[in-house]
Amino acid sequence: GAVVSQHPSWVICKSGTSVKIECRSLDFQATTMFWYRQFPKQSLMLMATSNEGSKATYEQGVEKDKFLINHASLTLSTLTVTSAHPEDSSFYICSARRVLTDTQYFGPGTRLTVL
Amino acid sequence: AQKITQTQPGMFVQEKEAVTLDCTYDTSDPSYGLFWYKQPSSGEMIFLIYQGSYDQQNATEGRYSLNFQKARKSANLVISASQLGDSAMYFCAMTRGQGGKLIFGQGTELSVKP
Repeated sequence: GAVVSQHPSWVICKSGTSVKIECRSLDFQATTMFWYRQFPKQSLMLMATSNEGSKATYEQGVEKDKFLINHASLTLSTLTVTSAHPEDSSFYICSARRVLTDTQYFGPGTRLTVL
Repeated sequence: AQKITQTQPGMFVQEKEAVTLDCTYDTSDPSYGLFWYKQPSSGEMIFLIYQGSYDQQNATEGRYSLNFQKARKSANLVISASQLGDSAMYFCAMTRGQGGKLIFGQGTELSVKP
């Protein structure tokens, strides 16, 4: 149990385009999902917290207009990188917090490359 | 402010031996959770073990155990009988405030030698 999927696993796009990444909890409900960003050889940096049915809360320094988050259901959250630029190239990982626990289960990540 | 520190950027261990990965934390919250995750080269974050701040006993999960010393604010991960497949990055994490947010340490890269 506790499987989280992410789609796509990798994406290459041109500068100026938008990219949508989906995060799904496959066998449990998650009222809260989190989006992280990770640069090579570095730790995970929390970008935003996504709560089902309400607006996402963003960490300091994260542009909410650039990284649009939607948590449409108890099993799906999406991150849209709008007008992507090469500096947005990174590894994006989502996690889902199991209801009534503190444990977060992570998706396999999405590697974004912006040309 | 809450903080997680992993002071070992890289560690080597011989196959079948035990290894301890260090993690210290700082928080003023009386209630918190501590986690260890494994990240192989594929990038996925694999949950290994959890310790609650009020748990009396150290957590264990198979070959993984968490040496929780609350007074010293340390939560070291012990891997017994290392296997080649244990080679990966290991991250210590702690809940930050309410809402389940996690903060992560810098990570330790473990290499298991045959």
